[in-house]
Amino acid sequence: EAAVTQSPRNKVAVTGGKVTLSCNQTNNHNNMYWYRQDTGHGLRLIHYSYGAGSTEKGDIPDGYKASRPSQENFSLILELATPSQTSVYFCASGGDRENQDTQYFGPGTRLLVL
Amino acid sequence: QEKVQQSPESLIVPEGAMVSLNCSFSDSASQSIWWYQQHPGKGPKALISIFSNGNKKEGRLTVYLNRASLHVSLHIKDSQPSDSAVYLCAVSLSSGSWQLIFGSGTQLTVMP
Repeated sequence: EAAVTQSPRNKVAVTGGKVTLSCNQTNNHNNMYWYRQDTGHGLRLIHYSYGAGSTEKGDIPDGYKASRPSQENFSLILELATPSQTSVYFCASGGDRENQDTQYFGPGTRLLVL
Repeated sequence: QEKVQQSPESLIVPEGAMVSLNCSFSDSASQSIWWYQQHPGKGPKALISIFSNGNKKEGRLTVYLNRASLHVSLHIKDSQPSDSAVYLCAVSLSSGSWQLIFGSGTQLTVMP
């Protein structure tokens, strides 16, 4: 079973502050993804990456940056957090040779922006 | 932009019942259709996928895909209280980026 971990699991931030959410995977997957999940919207893709050094915009990238410094790590950065970014954030990895579109999710980070 | 819609929004059934969940999508050229299961406070977990028209069975799960009608359904036989979760339908885009577009989910509750 693929292993994806996220930190922190819970975060309270102030409006205008900087927030960094971290994700680590130990399965040597090329692709990594950041989603947010809100009631009524399901999972929405923020940023994704094909490998170390690459980041791509997803469907809702505004207000977020991403960084992929290594195969294992993928970070989501909120430079100026706003209350509308209060949500649950999930990281996923994927890109197995046999099942390219299978994604394995982490446990999530619950972010509250006051 | 691919759209994925799921119905019903929520479903309550007695233990042992057959459960049927529905999903419609907008792009007939999409790749695989996935079903994910999400328990409270956890990340989604991939359950089953289908690419070709027809059906696919794995254990108590059966999925049916009809690309002409842009519809896929998931059926859970002999439902158990442990099946209580949110079920997410996801469509893999045909662009080769392996992105998934998710529906908003169906909350399933199986009563003992």
